[in-house]
Amino acid sequence: DIQMTQSPSSVSASVGDRVTITCRASQDISNYLAWYQQTPGKAPKLLIYTASNLQSGVPSRFSASGSGTDFTLTISSLQPEDFATYYCQQANSPPYTFGQGTKLEIK
Amino acid sequence: EVQLVESGGGLVQPGGSLRLSCAASGFTFSSYWMNWVRQRPDKGLEWVANIKEDGSTKKYVDSVKGRFTISRDNAENSLYLQMNSLRAEDAAIYYCARVVFFGDQADYWGRGTLVTVSS
Repeated sequence: DIQMTQSPSSVSASVGDRVTITCRASQDISNYLAWYQQTPGKAPKLLIYTASNLQSGVPSRFSASGSGTDFTLTISSLQPEDFATYYCQQANSPPYTFGQGTKLEIK
Repeated sequence: EVQLVESGGGLVQPGGSLRLSCAASGFTFSSYWMNWVRQRPDKGLEWVANIKEDGSTKKYVDSVKGRFTISRDNAENSLYLQMNSLRAEDAAIYYCARVVFFGDQADYWGRGTLVTVSS
């Protein structure tokens, strides 16, 4: 199985800050990677598909890049509604494993 | 509006069975792969299974193979997860989701249904 490792596991930041989250795959997954946002008590929400494509309706302050084994999600200017947990998921081969999550907290 | 509504969760004893359902509306259900993803209490997300548009192909995570069966009824716009021989570690919120991009990238998710496994 492909292992997905996110870093950091948690991060504290302030409104307006720029934050970057990293996701590393245990083997080459090309660009088959998605990013999700989850707030407490809610279902995950797709932010980014195929490594760098912004899902419809997602604010442009979210961006992502990467291919192969290393990927990043960047939030350019944090808004209050962005404080949540973020997960990457490899979509290269089943089982379609998720990273362990990165909790973004308010400083 | 795309809607996915899970049901069927509840309390079950270890070794017992449950059948989860996911009612889909607002899109052409028969045109999409669908999946189940679970989340143990205060833990991360775990992909469980997916199924092709016509039900001909199914994939599972190893930990549920032989115990869980994913199925669908395109005439009823419904997705199912039959869970047998349940274990304590199967306790989780189970989400169904619509797969829209290559692999299992899912754009719409239900609110989930809670499965508790305890004696």
